[in-house]
Amino acid sequence: AQSVAQPEDQVNVAEGNPLTVKCTYSVSGNPYLFWYVQYPNRGLQFLLKYITGDNLVKGSYGFEAEFNKSQTSFHLKKPSALVSDSALYFCATEGGSQGNLIFGKGTKLSVKP
Amino acid sequence: DGGITQSPKYLFRKEGQNVTLSCEQNLNHDAMYWYRQDPGQGLRLIYYSQIVNDFQKGDIAEGYSVSREKKESFPLTVTSAQKNPTAFYLCASSSGLNTDTQYFGPGTRLTVL
Repeated sequence: AQSVAQPEDQVNVAEGNPLTVKCTYSVSGNPYLFWYVQYPNRGLQFLLKYITGDNLVKGSYGFEAEFNKSQTSFHLKKPSALVSDSALYFCATEGGSQGNLIFGKGTKLSVKP
Repeated sequence: DGGITQSPKYLFRKEGQNVTLSCEQNLNHDAMYWYRQDPGQGLRLIYYSQIVNDFQKGDIAEGYSVSREKKESFPLTVTSAQKNPTAFYLCASSSGLNTDTQYFGPGTRLTVL
């Protein structure tokens, strides 16, 4: 069965420092991986996805993610964190032919000034 | 929230009542999805529809029902049989392929009194 795991419930970063939000995956076949962000009481906003090609994927708001096949990871990164990046981040993979997404439990990112 | 609207934003229900959550999209997407979000559990799939007049159960369909009479609309009914309906409900749509990005609505927060 397809699954993703986010090992950290919360990540704390100082503004201006680099941030990493971790995700590992377990999928059969080619992995299709997604990152979404959610602000309080809002829907999910798409950040980026990996389908094929370059292992470094660039997305919205300065975020990027590195696909690592040997470590089955797809960590989300940003070189310099902003206070406004504070939110809940979800890693997801595709659930098969029905096209739904399977989500990790989410990681709360807190960026302090 | 990209062309998907959900209403109402907040909904209060007494035990034993059925309630219907609205989801409309103007993205011309074939596929639509309903997810339930609970704290610390990520998102779980309730129902999905890949085409008009057809829909399938997801992982947690018990106590819920849907219809897909129009391409743009995918309402979700939370019935009195749903034992723990208090949650945040998110609707999403996509073109239907498992590599496609899903776009989410702003969500409806349902509280059972």
